[in-house]
Amino acid sequence: GENVEQHPSTLSVQEGDSAVIKCTYSDSASNYFPWYKQELGKRPQLIIDIRSNVGEKKDQRIAVTLNKTAKHFSLHITETQPEDSAVYFCAASRDSGYALNFGKGTSLLVTP
Amino acid sequence: DGGITQSPKYLFRKEGQNVTLSCEQNLNHDAMYWYRQDPGQGLRLIYYSQIVNDFQKGDIAEGYSVSREKKESFPLTVTSAQKNPTAFYLCASSITSGGSSYNEQFFGPGTRLTVL
Repeated sequence: GENVEQHPSTLSVQEGDSAVIKCTYSDSASNYFPWYKQELGKRPQLIIDIRSNVGEKKDQRIAVTLNKTAKHFSLHITETQPEDSAVYFCAASRDSGYALNFGKGTSLLVTP
Repeated sequence: DGGITQSPKYLFRKEGQNVTLSCEQNLNHDAMYWYRQDPGQGLRLIYYSQIVNDFQKGDIAEGYSVSREKKESFPLTVTSAQKNPTAFYLCASSITSGGSSYNEQFFGPGTRLTVL
């Protein structure tokens, strides 16, 4: 089955700096790659996703890049703010209706 | 994601007891999923269902059972056979065809189960 690896497991940055989280996947048939943000005790919330027909997608301070050849994708957060502090999960899946395979998460701390 | 609900929010169970976690959605989604979350482990798939009256085992199905008698509902039973059931359980749903948001999974608020 699919195996998604996520790095780093913890990340601490100063407010205003950029943060980058990287994931690799094993199943070449995967074609959907979402990123979720989860605050303590709450449900995961989708923040951005990318499909295999594009290499990059951006939404304000958040961007995701995908390299299908190398089977890796990354989340980039620019101008970080303290409210960006949370656990971030990457995931990968095949066609619609298939379950997501999650990475183990990255705990991001943004210090003022 | 306000259209998917889970109950109860907190649940305490004695060892040896079965317990059922509720998950309901009014989003008209075809697919529903159950994940288990442990500290530092990410989310692991227990069961999923793409259509009513059909479901598939995930990576950690042992000790769990599900049913999908209605499109809106996907209850999860944690049986006494599950050796370490204390965890945060998350239900999710998604559409399976058409539109630009297919595959996007919407999560419920979760149920925190503690075995005493």
